[in-house]
Amino acid sequence: QSALTQPASVSGSPGQSITISCTGTSNDVGGYKYVSWYQQHPGKAPKLMIYDVSDRPSGVSNRFFGSKSGNTASLTISGLQAEDEADYYCSSYIRSLTLDVIFGGGTKLTVL
Amino acid sequence: QVQLQESGPGLVKPSETLSLTCTVSGVSVSSGTYYWSWIRQPPGKRLEWIGYVYYSGHTNYNPSLKSRVTISVDTSKNQFSLKLSSVTAADTAVYYCARIVTSNWSFYWGQGTLVTVSS
Repeated sequence: QSALTQPASVSGSPGQSITISCTGTSNDVGGYKYVSWYQQHPGKAPKLMIYDVSDRPSGVSNRFFGSKSGNTASLTISGLQAEDEADYYCSSYIRSLTLDVIFGGGTKLTVL
Repeated sequence: QVQLQESGPGLVKPSETLSLTCTVSGVSVSSGTYYWSWIRQPPGKRLEWIGYVYYSGHTNYNPSLKSRVTISVDTSKNQFSLKLSSVTAADTAVYYCARIVTSNWSFYWGQGTLVTVSS
């Protein structure tokens, strides 16, 4: 498996909520709690927003919520703000003879 | 505050070796809490994990790059390094160094550095 599956783009209006999915297999997302989410603004480094499926690092807004069901993890952003417009990537530990971690293809969030 | 800073040439010729260094401050690379990793992102494309090194010297690499990659750690300088040999234009990317929390495989990133492969 080369990458976790994410939608290419999602959009929402200020104040609304959106959800980004991240689909893998039982060897990665479905088998472990080691799912993380990253926010990347243009020209900037990714920033950790969620780890261990649903935990937030210190300083990350509680508008960001992570969850998982089966082989699909989700990132929900509530109360959308203009500053949330960015690319979002998921990652997961993977049980493999060769790889330890796998990334999603990324989702472009547009705040309308 | 932990900081990671990439350094190295921004331009590499085809067939040569790309060499980057990540200088770590605020934590020792000898800490068993982290793996020290390189990730790259070609322009407009997704993130690609390159590999990591542990303070002990243990490494693991992405199979797609394994034959060309070496990641090493220098505990005396609190740095770790990436070497990618026989580069082509396809290796043009922003290269990030990052620390991976060993307990949950989450990444904390450096600011990244653009490396262009061109003659």
